[in-house]
Amino acid sequence: KQEVTQIPAALSVPEGENLVLNCSFTDSAIYNLQWFRQDPGKGLTSLLLIQSSQREQTSGRLNASLDKSSGRSTLYIAASQPGDSATYLCAVRGSARQLTFGSGTQLTVLP
Amino acid sequence: GAGVSQTPSNKVTEKGKYVELRCDPISGHTALYWYRQSLGQGPEFLIYFQGTGAADDSGLPNDRFFAVRPEGSVSTLKIQRTERGDSAVYLCASSLTQGHQETQYFGPGTRLLVL
Repeated sequence: KQEVTQIPAALSVPEGENLVLNCSFTDSAIYNLQWFRQDPGKGLTSLLLIQSSQREQTSGRLNASLDKSSGRSTLYIAASQPGDSATYLCAVRGSARQLTFGSGTQLTVLP
Repeated sequence: GAGVSQTPSNKVTEKGKYVELRCDPISGHTALYWYRQSLGQGPEFLIYFQGTGAADDSGLPNDRFFAVRPEGSVSTLKIQRTERGDSAVYLCASSLTQGHQETQYFGPGTRLLVL
């Protein structure tokens, strides 16, 4: 059974810092990996999707990497802003259609 | 266009009661998913529909939980004889069938509290 772990569970940084969120998964037989953002009381917003054949994806200040063989992904956020404060969730998709999620990293960017 | 919508946004019920949670997917999306998210945890898969049929219901925790999608659009998640442990946020997502590039679009969720 696939298990997804995210470290750290919570992170607080001053505005302007670059930061890295970590995600690991136990079964490397994945089709893709996604990073989501969740704001309090709201649904999930997809940030980046990396196919199993890809090594990284970039969108603006966000860069996600994937090392499928070692079961790891990182989300890099450059020049963090208070508006980046949210919970970030990592999810993997295997041969079944559903996503398996980690527990998330709660990020607070202090002004 | 409109995103995934879910109603009600909040539901408070008493132990033993029956509840229905509704999901309106994005128009034209053939796939629909239900997930459950407990406090401090990531969402956990419950059931997946492709069109009108439940293609995978392996995540439903027990037979008190049931979901339908009779016309291949709106879906209803039904919980019988609710228990306090059913309290969670129930999330719905929809997608176009795009193979490995599929992106699931999530609704805001229904917060269920069983007293």
